[in-house]
Amino acid sequence: QVQLQESGPGLVKPSETLSLTCTVSGVSTSSYYWSWVRQPPGKGPEWIGCIFYTGSTNYNPSLQSRVTISIDTSKNQLSLKLSSVTAADTATYYCARTIPAHGNNWFDPWGQGTLVTVSS
Amino acid sequence: DIQMTQSPSSLSASVGDTVTIPCRASQSISTYINWYQQIPGKAPKLLISAASSLQSGVPSRFSGSGSGTDFTLTISSLQPEDFATYYCQQSYSIPLTFGGGTKVDIK
Repeated sequence: QVQLQESGPGLVKPSETLSLTCTVSGVSTSSYYWSWVRQPPGKGPEWIGCIFYTGSTNYNPSLQSRVTISIDTSKNQLSLKLSSVTAADTATYYCARTIPAHGNNWFDPWGQGTLVTVSS
Repeated sequence: DIQMTQSPSSLSASVGDTVTIPCRASQSISTYINWYQQIPGKAPKLLISAASSLQSGVPSRFSGSGSGTDFTLTISSLQPEDFATYYCQQSYSIPLTFGGGTKVDIK
């Protein structure tokens, strides 16, 4: 059974860097793509970006200048860094396995999510 | 970016009803659309991929249809555990985008 678990600070100050880790169990991160998705309170999800085990990444252009996603296959973990955060970055952050098939890409499963609040 | 529009944002229904949840893409996306269910406080759960492929373990009362720009998620014979928010997601082009969701609540 594939499981994902996000971890990291729940409170980040404005202008600082948000850092989260996702630990994967039940499957090797040396397979599949892996994504970060966030969901502001009361809104729909927003895709942040994804990474393949080779380190190849794709980012949402709206966040690309501030985002870094990395992977450590030896620890079966992926990481997210988002710099220069503002209150608009307050959201629940999820990691998710990303499955590509015939040009389609979907997210399954998702981690339980972690709420990150940006506030001084 | 491709915009995914879900309207209405909420609807009320009763147990046993058949519910249709629409999703419209701002441009043609073929069948590169997926549907998720989210219960409050939980992560989204994949229901349907590629417009109409039901995921393993998902009850057969869920079905998806459509191609191009207009898509529908249908729930036949609504059950108490189906009261949730439903999101569509396109993967035709980067960035992958989601709709704003349709919340199904109890009439």
